[in-house]
Amino acid sequence: AQSVTQLDSQVPVFEEAPVELRCNYSSSVSVYLFWYVQYPNQGLQLLLKYLSGSTLVKGINGFEAEFNKSQTSFHLRKPSVHISDTAEYFCAVSDSGNTPLVFGKGTRLSVIA
Amino acid sequence: NAGVMQNPRHLVRRRGQEARLRCSPMKGHSHVYWYRQLPEEGLKFMVYLQKENIIDESGMPKERFSAEFPKEGPSILRIQQVVRGDSAAYFCASSPNLPGTGYGGYTFGSGTRLTVV
Repeated sequence: AQSVTQLDSQVPVFEEAPVELRCNYSSSVSVYLFWYVQYPNQGLQLLLKYLSGSTLVKGINGFEAEFNKSQTSFHLRKPSVHISDTAEYFCAVSDSGNTPLVFGKGTRLSVIA
Repeated sequence: NAGVMQNPRHLVRRRGQEARLRCSPMKGHSHVYWYRQLPEEGLKFMVYLQKENIIDESGMPKERFSAEFPKEGPSILRIQQVVRGDSAAYFCASSPNLPGTGYGGYTFGSGTRLTVV
């Protein structure tokens, strides 16, 4: 079964600084990878996804992620964060079969003014 | 074009009562998933349903929990004889096709926050 590890439970960062949120998944022949964002008391919103093709994926709100098959990673990055990026971020994976998304435990990003 | 609608947003139940959580998927979506979110634990998969069928219930507790997605109407997650440990946020998501494939993953509702007192 697939599993996802988000290595950092909390990441504090100053406004306008770059940020990287790390995600590793268990190996599989093929995977679909996703990052979701959850603002307080809300549901999850899709940030970006990797299905196939280019390993660098661009999403909403200036976020991007890079799929690295050899390291089984899908780290999320943003070159300059804003206060409004404060939220919880979830990495998720699905294999090519008929199985539901598996989520990591989340990383709480706190942007400090 | 309404998204995934969950109600109620907040639900308070006394120990031993029943909780019924409703989820209406996005228009055109025929797959529904229920997840439970506990603090510091992320989202845990509970059950995957299509209309009138339970496809995967591997994440459902064996007792007190049940789910349905009837031909007409919303999907229902039912928790009988609730206990304090059932307090959590329950999220419903829907997708138009096979899970995780080609259609942007899932669309999530805003969740139902169940508090058992």
